[in-house]
Amino acid sequence: DAGVTQSPTHLIKTRGQQVTLRCSPKSGHDTVSWYQQALGQGPQFIFQYYEEEERQRGNFPDRFSGHQFPNYSSELNVNALLLGDSALYLCASSWGQGDGYGYTFGSGTRLTVV
Amino acid sequence: DQQVKQNSPSLSVQEGRISILNCDYTNSMFDYFLWYKKYPAEGPTFLISISSIKDKNEDGRFTVFLNKSAKHLSLHIVPSQPGDSAVYFCAASTGTDKLIFGTGTRLQVFP
Repeated sequence: DAGVTQSPTHLIKTRGQQVTLRCSPKSGHDTVSWYQQALGQGPQFIFQYYEEEERQRGNFPDRFSGHQFPNYSSELNVNALLLGDSALYLCASSWGQGDGYGYTFGSGTRLTVV
Repeated sequence: DQQVKQNSPSLSVQEGRISILNCDYTNSMFDYFLWYKKYPAEGPTFLISISSIKDKNEDGRFTVFLNKSAKHLSLHIVPSQPGDSAVYFCAASTGTDKLIFGTGTRLQVFP
């Protein structure tokens, strides 16, 4: 049984560019949450998608947007990249409201902005 | 505003001994607490959790203690094994809300 799959694993972008990260949830899961983990920090909540809608959002600017598809997979888009956006981006899937107990995390996408 | 704090960035323990990882929080609305373990190049994996109505939860070698009056929780690993070497994150939530993570503690278990 495949867990959470994220792609790509590594990515290098130039400041000002746009990037799209992808996430396929664990089989049976319908909710996808995205987290940003900067170096030396814990993961920070970006937003959560359920039934193809953004259900919750953390303290991130509008440059961060997302989408969930009918098959529950999700994309995270970041526009006008800044050097400070360099981080590990983690996707977590769960079933239903996701209190964190049922979260399954992917291995993440390491984004480097130069 | 760091609502969940792990003040020890690293901990080194001898194999067979007890590892104690600590976590403090400030938001009294948190009602669910979790510990995650993270190896390099992998995502965090769920380890153990505790509801705010309890003060202790045990799962094999892992025990989590919650002191609500002190807004403090701790993870005890007994006995510690080299395979336990990883970064441990404390996280908290208000039930159906997002997870708030601490900054992590790197545990190294040496022979």
